[in-house]
Amino acid sequence: QVQLVQSGAEVKKPGASVKVSCKASGYTFTTYGVSWVRQAPGQGLEWMGWVSAYNGNKKYAQSFQDRVTMTTDSSTNTAYMELRSLRSDDTAIYYCARDSNSRANWFDPWGQGTLVTVSS
Amino acid sequence: QSVLTQRPSASGTPGQRVTISCSGGNSNIGSNYVYWYQQLPGTAPRLLIFRNDQRPSGVPDRFSGSKSGTSASLAISGLRSEDEASYHCASWDDNLSGVIFGGGTKLTVL
Repeated sequence: QVQLVQSGAEVKKPGASVKVSCKASGYTFTTYGVSWVRQAPGQGLEWMGWVSAYNGNKKYAQSFQDRVTMTTDSSTNTAYMELRSLRSDDTAIYYCARDSNSRANWFDPWGQGTLVTVSS
Repeated sequence: QSVLTQRPSASGTPGQRVTISCSGGNSNIGSNYVYWYQQLPGTAPRLLIFRNDQRPSGVPDRFSGSKSGTSASLAISGLRSEDEASYHCASWDDNLSGVIFGGGTKLTVL
């Protein structure tokens, strides 16, 4: 079955960077894209950006454009999201989700989520 | 503050029909598809409705989506206790060039 498995929880200090991985299985990785969505404690969902696993095209949300990098590795069927200059309000669960290969579209399925805690 | 507007909460009794609304504007719902995601407590979201009114395989036909102008709705008929979850609407926004979500509606089954 189609599955996305994310890396484990992280604790980071303000100003540091975090890199979350998302390993895909059950489908041809390069025929889809991956979107990243985060959810702060008790809050709604926030789309961070999208990357094509076919050609590496990317689209980042404006609020993350200068701090985030999304990549894919077709040799391991894994997508990565790196967020830099972390702040306390970046504390959230970060989700990856399979998406269209042409642009951010709809997210199905989702990974289990990775809790990133930013604290001094 | 979310660009798409949802009521924070809704409730219903078992067997009842409940509607959850999502309000946007011309740059998002008015000119793009609407998607709905269900998030059970403590779990990742799952796709419930795509392209306004389409159900992925495995989603019961008790769930239905619709769109009119700059608003969309999710209807749940024959409400069941396992429907207790948060429901999030989403759409592409042409002005922001990105996906936007509503704030989510927490549904309680009384």
